[in-house]
Amino acid sequence: DAGVIQSPRHEVTEMGQEVTLRCKPISGHDYLFWYRQTMMRGLELLIYFNNNVPIDDSGMPEDRFSAKMPNASFSTLKIQPSEPRDSAVYFCASSWATTNYGYTFGSGTRLTVV
Amino acid sequence: GDSVTQMEGPVTLSEEAFLTINCTYTATGYPSLFWYVQYPGEGLQLLLKATKADDKGSNKGFEATYRKETTSFHLEKGSVQVSDSAVYFCALSDGNQFYFGTGTSLTVIP
Repeated sequence: DAGVIQSPRHEVTEMGQEVTLRCKPISGHDYLFWYRQTMMRGLELLIYFNNNVPIDDSGMPEDRFSAKMPNASFSTLKIQPSEPRDSAVYFCASSWATTNYGYTFGSGTRLTVV
Repeated sequence: GDSVTQMEGPVTLSEEAFLTINCTYTATGYPSLFWYVQYPGEGLQLLLKATKADDKGSNKGFEATYRKETTSFHLEKGSVQVSDSAVYFCALSDGNQFYFGTGTSLTVIP
């Protein structure tokens, strides 16, 4: 299995632009998670899905952020409009029916908003 | 709610020194416990896990024992190498999601 695949690896965009981050989870995994990592705030859970349904989006910082999972093999995290304070590394992770087996993380997308 | 507390870093050790990174947890049920490692520029990788009390997880010379009586899951390694330099995260799972610690940065110098 290729693991959790995220794209792009790096994204540089101007303030006000729309940014879309993509994630392909491991086939057969029921859970998908989006995290944001910064030096100041560490690792923050933004949202997670179970069987493509959003379960908890309380970590989404504001209405500029949205996430979708149209099918079991694809998810997007969109920021519109982007701001410099959104600069961070965004990770996607997936797991089996219970997270007691552990997550598998993607390599992340490093977003820089200038 | 559930949470994890791990020791503050950064930690700097000489090669072949003994490593301990402390982790304690608070949970209402019977969580599974994990250590993840993040090398520079990479995502988090599962290092080891334990799913019930008294279980010992081990991998790559690292060990951690699930201690219910002290609600702890301390990470240990007998002899660290330069290649172990990374950030280490303690985490617990309640079956639905993870709760991560803040991470401990380890630097091993030759």
